[in-house]
Amino acid sequence: GENVEQHPSTLSVQEGDSAVIKCTYSDSASNYFPWYKQELGKRPQLIIDIRSNVGEKKDQRIAVTLNKTAKHFSLHITETQPEDSAVYFCAASRWDSNYQLIWGAGTKLIIKP
Amino acid sequence: EAQVTQNPRYLITVTGKKLTVTCSQNMNHEYMSWYRQDPGLGLRQIYYSMNVEVTDKGDVPEGYKVSRKEKRNFPLILESPSPNQTSLYFCASSSRTYTQYFGPGTRLTVL
Repeated sequence: GENVEQHPSTLSVQEGDSAVIKCTYSDSASNYFPWYKQELGKRPQLIIDIRSNVGEKKDQRIAVTLNKTAKHFSLHITETQPEDSAVYFCAASRWDSNYQLIWGAGTKLIIKP
Repeated sequence: EAQVTQNPRYLITVTGKKLTVTCSQNMNHEYMSWYRQDPGLGLRQIYYSMNVEVTDKGDVPEGYKVSRKEKRNFPLILESPSPNQTSLYFCASSSRTYTQYFGPGTRLTVL
C-alpha cells in the first residue's frame, strides 16, 4: 500500500528565514497531496494542497512543489514568522481511495526569534 | 457555521468502564474518520466510514468500535478502555474535495 515519509521530524529556523519540509510517497497513482498545520493544542487544518496535474502552487508565503517523477512533494514557507511555529503534516491520496489520506509522521517547525 | 463537533472534549475514566465519544458534522459529508494522536506517532486512523452503514478498519482498530446510523454522526465506542488507549482523539469529515475537516479533539485519560 501507499507509504508517505516526511522529513525532517523537527526543523528549527530563524525568524525571517525560509523553511522547507519534504515528503516522499510510494504509490505512483497518488494524485492529491495536501498539507495540514496543527498549532499547539489545536486541530489540524488544511493550509495548501496540490493535484498531480500541477507542479507548483503558491498562497502568499507558502508554496507546495510536486515532482511526480521522483515521487516527492515539498512545503516551502518564506519569511517565517512566530505564528508559523506548529506541526505540519503532509498526506497523499489517489482518486479511487474513497477519500482516504495516507499521512506523513509530521514535522515540528520551531521559529527562533 | 460548517463544523465538526466532538464530545466530550476531556474525559478521565477508569479501566474497563465503557465510554462513547460522539462526533457530529453539519456539512452533509459522506466520509467520516477517527484518528488518535500520540506524541511522536502522528495521526493514526482508527476507523472510517464512507457513508451510512458503511464502516471499515483503519490502521489501529483494536479495542474500538464505531457505528454510522445517520450521515451526520459517527460515534467512537470503547467497550473496555485500557490505559494504552490514553490519547488525543480527532474526528474528521470530508466530501468529494478530499479536504478533511477535523473536530476540536477529545483528550482521553484511562487510569
